Amino acid sequence: SQKIEQNSEALNIQEGKTATLTCNYTNYSPAYLQWYRQDPGRGPVFLLLIRENEKEKRKERLKVTFDTTLKQSLFHITASQPADSATYLCALRTSGGSYIPTFGRGTSLIVHP
Amino acid sequence: GAGVSQSPSNKVTEKGKDVELRCDPISGHTALYWYRQSLGQGLEFLIYFQGNSAPDKSGLPSDRFSAERTGGSVSTLTIQRTQQEDSAVYLCASSLAGTGNTIYFGEGSWLTVV
Repeated sequence: SQKIEQNSEALNIQEGKTATLTCNYTNYSPAYLQWYRQDPGRGPVFLLLIRENEKEKRKERLKVTFDTTLKQSLFHITASQPADSATYLCALRTSGGSYIPTFGRGTSLIVHP
Repeated sequence: GAGVSQSPSNKVTEKGKDVELRCDPISGHTALYWYRQSLGQGLEFLIYFQGNSAPDKSGLPSDRFSAERTGGSVSTLTIQRTQQEDSAVYLCASSLAGTGNTIYFGEGSWLTVV
């Protein structure tokens, strides 16, 4: 069966360090992968999209990598700040057919001052 | 408005009652999605509308759930004979075209069935 796996344990890091979150998937051939941020009581907010033929994407302090061989995406936040504390969701959309993204459960990031 | 608007933001209803949740997507967005998120859980797809095409209802959990989209804009999600397990946040999202590339979420409707 198709699975998207994100670490269910919260990631605790110190301010200024790089946070790295992982998204693994099985039995998917994703056309692209997205990362969203969700704050408590709010809807998810789109951050970055990376396509299957792209290895890396950057936006300000954010970097996403996509390894279709390992079936994994890594999401990095450099120089992390307490304001980065949130839950981060990855979402996949497969090639062809449905335009409906499927979401992982998300990983909570806590950045300590 | 500038973003996806959902109402009500909070709803408490008695078991067995019907509820309607409304979504007003971003103007010009042809695709509209409903997801459900239970406490501590991921987003569960419910239904997808794209333009004038027949909606993809494959995520609706039972026939108590239905949705419509009038005039290609506002959507209403209806839950009949609510059950306690229906308690969740119901999130609506829209996107510019039927590509799913970037979807914009509303803040959700928090439903509590007592």
